[in-house]
Amino acid sequence: AQRVTQPEKLLSVFKGAPVELKCNYSYSGSPELFWYVQYSRQRLQLLLRHISRESIKGFTADLNKGETSFHLKKPFAQEEDSAMYYCALPLPNAGGTSYGKLTFGQGTILTVHP
Amino acid sequence: EADIYQTPRYLVIGTGKKITLECSQTMGHDKMYWYQQDPGMELHLIHYSYGVNSTEKGDLSSESTVSRIRTEHFPLTLESARPSHTSQYLCASSPTTSGLGYEQYFGPGTRLTVT
Repeated sequence: AQRVTQPEKLLSVFKGAPVELKCNYSYSGSPELFWYVQYSRQRLQLLLRHISRESIKGFTADLNKGETSFHLKKPFAQEEDSAMYYCALPLPNAGGTSYGKLTFGQGTILTVHP
Repeated sequence: EADIYQTPRYLVIGTGKKITLECSQTMGHDKMYWYQQDPGMELHLIHYSYGVNSTEKGDLSSESTVSRIRTEHFPLTLESARPSHTSQYLCASSPTTSGLGYEQYFGPGTRLTVT
């Protein structure tokens, strides 16, 4: 079954330190993975998707099929990065198509201290 | 402005009441979704819709029901609210374009408390 696991519920770092939010997945086929972010008092929004291979707000995420991971990384954390982060994976129907449905991990609350 | 709206933002209601959470989007998206975000902040899909008159239950069982009579409107109804329904409910939509088929746009949420 398709599943996303974020092993760390809470993650605290100091400003300027590197940060890595872990995401592991189980998926039959070639997954398209996403990171969503929810800042305090803001809506849940897309941060980045692996297929675009882009860096957003200094964050990158590399798909590692061997380790079935899609960890989110940033070399120098900023206080404004403090937020809830969700890793997400397409959730297919029985027929194999997903019609845009996603399954989300449990989320990681990142706190960046000054 | 293209957006996704949810009303009310906060609702406190007594047990046994019927409630409807409203969700509307002006983004022209065919697909719409309802998620329940529990106190542990996990996000669970409870309903989704591919288009008008098309609704399906999500991976988390829910006593709520939904309807999709108009493309832009996807309300969620609880016939008889219970304290176990206390949660945050998020509505989302996504475009049909295959390249962007999985990017979901979320509303601000409705925080429901059933006393």
